[in-house]
Amino acid sequence: QSALTQPRSVSGSPGQSVTISCTGSSSDVGVYNYVSWYQQHPGKTPKLMIYDVTKRPSGVPDRFSASKSDNTASLTISGLQAEDEADYYCCSHAGNYLVFGGGTKLTVL
Amino acid sequence: EVQLVQSGAEVKKPGESLKISCKGSGYTFASYWIGWVRQMPGKGLECIGIIYPGDSEARYSPSFQGQVTISADKSINTASLQWSSLKASDTAIYYCARLLGGTFFDYWGQGTLVTVSS
Repeated sequence: QSALTQPRSVSGSPGQSVTISCTGSSSDVGVYNYVSWYQQHPGKTPKLMIYDVTKRPSGVPDRFSASKSDNTASLTISGLQAEDEADYYCCSHAGNYLVFGGGTKLTVL
Repeated sequence: EVQLVQSGAEVKKPGESLKISCKGSGYTFASYWIGWVRQMPGKGLECIGIIYPGDSEARYSPSFQGQVTISADKSINTASLQWSSLKASDTAIYYCARLLGGTFFDYWGQGTLVTVSS
């Protein structure tokens, strides 16, 4: 089992858009439409931001959107705000278990 | 209101055993998978495994198979994660989380910090 691959860090200025990629394989991201994304601020519990590839839970701003193509999922945050600075993790179903990405630190400049 | 409340922080020595718990409330505990997630200091999230409290079917991520045991007691709405012989490398925060639709974690416990040190 290998973790999904995410960039270690991304950055953007307030108001800009950033995209975080999440690359898996034909055993997880590529075969299941069950990719989720989590936001984690330092010292806090992870928070669900996206589920089933593109769906947003109620309460999550529509600035957060996501997609998937083949073995790669992506999270886009538009209109960056200071409070978006956090770690972001993708997660995919992988048959009998789930696998996370290594995490991406988003810095809002 | 859905809540997952985990047991408190633990400090243990290498070789000791440990069982931490996660108590659910506000929903039908037996009907939803529960997952355990590890976060080592300064590192990312790793899924240890999942369990269905209704019949106690447990599934483990390959990296954790044989290293820990996941169990559940639906009569007391509690899932557990246990070690028979802790190692220093088990030092981490352990989260439990409800798995909705078997595909994503919608509610998380507050985390249990486990420190293993001689």
